[in-house]
Amino acid sequence: DQQVKQNSPSLSVQEGRISILNCDYTNSMFDYFLWYKKYPAEGPTFLISISSIKDKNEDGRFTVFLNKSAKHLSLHIVPSQPGDSAVYFCAASARAGGTSYGKLTFGQGTILTVHP
Amino acid sequence: GAGVSQSPSNKVTEKGKDVELRCDPISGHTALYWYRQSLGQGLEFLIYFQGNSAPDKSGLPSDRFSAERTGGSVSTLTIQRTQQEDSAVYLCASSLVGQVSGNTIYFGEGSWLTVV
Repeated sequence: DQQVKQNSPSLSVQEGRISILNCDYTNSMFDYFLWYKKYPAEGPTFLISISSIKDKNEDGRFTVFLNKSAKHLSLHIVPSQPGDSAVYFCAASARAGGTSYGKLTFGQGTILTVHP
Repeated sequence: GAGVSQSPSNKVTEKGKDVELRCDPISGHTALYWYRQSLGQGLEFLIYFQGNSAPDKSGLPSDRFSAERTGGSVSTLTIQRTQQEDSAVYLCASSLVGQVSGNTIYFGEGSWLTVV
């Protein structure tokens, strides 16, 4: 049962253009969402997050959008740079009693390649 | 060390043998997580330790898998009678408290396990 899905295994984008990475979830209890970035032979590193009380969070070139009714979130990278080439994972968490638990459910990942 | 340290970084073992994977969390972090990533899959939650509380073992795939955390610091993940489907990257992460708030969870570089 894949509760967090990234249906695009890969994405190729030209440098300077926008990269849009998508993620869908099925568990309506999820209320906190994160994006992680992973380079080969390294552990995932946190990129950006969003709480379910918001529909947008922006940090520099990275913006995450959340559509709760559609159970969909997306990560926009503008402008894309070759150094952004990595695997991007979305993750979700269900908080209980107001305390985030730490048990993240991850998607399968999307390989982003940004061409110079 | 400054980050989460895992050893070994690579392990090739014969089917049926036992393996131990070690995780050294960031000093002072009370929460410790184990995830694994099989080929083409997302990060799968395995087990979670928080302070002196009983660990959440709900993600362990079978009774061949066990983990312990001694002295609230170093953790060892043990896989008994390894099978080929156990081949994966095993990732350890730690955080200050068992709470998800974006960049509070730090991952190690992973232990690559290959069962032949």
